[in-house]
Amino acid sequence: NAGVMQNPRHLVRRRGQEARLRCSPMKGHSHVYWYRQLPEEGLKFMVYLQKENIIDESGMPKERFSAEFPKEGPSILRIQQVVRGDSAAYFCASSPQRSTDTQYFGPGTRLTVL
Amino acid sequence: QKEVEQNSGPLSVPEGAIASLNCTYSDRGSQSFFWYRQYSGKSPELIMSIYSNGDKEDGRFTAQLNKASQYVSLLIRDSQPSDSATYLCAVNNAGNMLTFGGGTRLMVKP
Repeated sequence: NAGVMQNPRHLVRRRGQEARLRCSPMKGHSHVYWYRQLPEEGLKFMVYLQKENIIDESGMPKERFSAEFPKEGPSILRIQQVVRGDSAAYFCASSPQRSTDTQYFGPGTRLTVL
Repeated sequence: QKEVEQNSGPLSVPEGAIASLNCTYSDRGSQSFFWYRQYSGKSPELIMSIYSNGDKEDGRFTAQLNKASQYVSLLIRDSQPSDSATYLCAVNNAGNMLTFGGGTRLMVKP
């Protein structure tokens, strides 16, 4: 039973490029969450999605960041025109049904902006 | 602002001892509580979830919840060097997100 899958595991971008992070939830899970962990800091919520819907994006920066979870395929977190401050570990989590259910985390994508 | 507070540590215990990790939260409406373990450079791994007041035991781990005091704790019995990690307390307050504490770094010395 595969867990949450994320790719790539490591991503290097130069300033101004775009970063695309992908997340496939656990089988049977319909809720996806993205969190960011800056170096030496705690995990911070970014966005909560269900299929084809953004439910809560209160943690997303106002500019350059977007997320989607299409009917088919993985959830995508997109960062446009990356800056050095975007360097962080980005974790995806999924839960089966209700948002208060346990969230299981993927291995994360470590983004480095040069 | 909804907050979750943890002592950053490090908490150092000898092998075989009981490690006690504590967490307080600010939102009285919080409904579900979780402990995750995170090794350096890795993703959070769920250890325990707890939803009602009292104790919940799973192997060497016991989670304790006191909603009146807004307090959650995790006890690790017979601590092993492999338990050395950062332990994250997380709270879901009927919203769509987990709010995490900053984590407590645990060091178990052989």
